[in-house]
Amino acid sequence: GAVVSQHPSWVICKSGTSVKIECRSLDFQATTMFWYRQFPKQSLMLMATSNEGSKATYEQGVEKDKFLINHASLTLSTLTVTSAHPEDSSFYICSARPPDGGNTIYFGEGSWLTVV
Amino acid sequence: QKEVEQDPGPLSVPEGAIVSLNCTYSNSAFQYFMWYRQYSRKGPELLMYTYSSGNKEDGRFTAQVDKSSKYISLFIRDSQPSDSATYLCAAHSNSGYALNFGKGTSLLVTP
Repeated sequence: GAVVSQHPSWVICKSGTSVKIECRSLDFQATTMFWYRQFPKQSLMLMATSNEGSKATYEQGVEKDKFLINHASLTLSTLTVTSAHPEDSSFYICSARPPDGGNTIYFGEGSWLTVV
Repeated sequence: QKEVEQDPGPLSVPEGAIVSLNCTYSNSAFQYFMWYRQYSRKGPELLMYTYSSGNKEDGRFTAQVDKSSKYISLFIRDSQPSDSATYLCAAHSNSGYALNFGKGTSLLVTP
């Protein structure tokens, strides 16, 4: 079964509103989680690294005030897309690594965001 | 230039064929190499993981890494229609677990 769970799987929101996506590690604690974005027929692009108990590290070109990341517990990271616009419509995926899992990195099922 | 390059295809093969998927990378610091399979509108599923150069086999899948040429390969033997998906190569260095992905190759195995 899945070791990383994302919710919601699909979300449609109106332009200008905010949307929160949750990423949960199941059965293990993840001090670090990663958020990726994937546009249709494109590769996964790293948006930010989410660190439990501290600020996220954002990749160049990703607006930290627009994509708010909160990693308040060892099993949950949230991504909030604030004031969403149609160009934010994308597939958002999180990943996490079990602390004793070597280099095995598990991905969530992804969340499809459509901004209308 | 992306650090991991992958031909997006599409690649179409008949059932039972041997499939060869390839990637190149430019960052010499990459030490860990993965292949993920992604079905339409789903998250990536880890298929193979390889450290440094060498081969790794798991059932019908064989992953190869040649660090001297910065070349990554995935071979699928006796391909099945259920193997039809997008295959993503990825790599990361010792300094972190953020993955650098290729664009993905779309594979179609026809009955």
